[in-house]
Amino acid sequence: GAVVSQHPSRVICKSGTSVKIECRSLDFQATTMFWYRQFPKQSLMLMATSNEGSKATYEQGVEKDKFLINHASLTLSTLTVTSAHPEDSSFYICSARVSGAGEKLFFGSGTQLSVL
Amino acid sequence: SQQGEEDPQALSIQEGENATMNCSYKTSINNLQWYRQNSGRGLVHLILIRSNEREKHSGRLRVTLDTSKKSSSLLITASRAADTASYFCATDHTGTASKLTFGTGTRLQVTL
Repeated sequence: GAVVSQHPSRVICKSGTSVKIECRSLDFQATTMFWYRQFPKQSLMLMATSNEGSKATYEQGVEKDKFLINHASLTLSTLTVTSAHPEDSSFYICSARVSGAGEKLFFGSGTQLSVL
Repeated sequence: SQQGEEDPQALSIQEGENATMNCSYKTSINNLQWYRQNSGRGLVHLILIRSNEREKHSGRLRVTLDTSKKSSSLLITASRAADTASYFCATDHTGTASKLTFGTGTRLQVTL
């Protein structure tokens, strides 16, 4: 099956620093990737849709200057949390659709961000 | 919010028993999907049922869909300790998976 690789799996940073999370499609090309945020024991909330070669589409209430998304190639999308603060601490997960695999999504393993 | 509601929020059963979790949603769908998430990990797709289908099976999984009630259920038969995870329903309103809306999830604990 399609593999989505997400790194890092865990990151701890100081308040005010920026953190970059990478999401790679290893054996397929992903024109579209999705970034989700998940709080403990809660559901996934879609943050933005990342489109290769164009600007990301952000969901209502998500600060685009805070959460920078870059999808420069068909196999890599990155999410940068800029000037991170403790309230940004969360589990971030990326996913992608695979052409020909129907409507299901393939997920990365997630990144646990802790901002001190 | 279109987010679906799942119940129960948590379910604890013994190995060998069946586990049933339910999902309700608010607006019409193209398809409904179920995903599993192990603690601290990404989600894994389990099964998809389309709006014109009423029941679907995959191994020990059985999914039903009642579009008139806007609800779905996931049944795991003969549960195993390895089934311990959180289970989420996700509704696809467009048929393109461009914007899946995830339910609140059911945390299943299967004990020996």
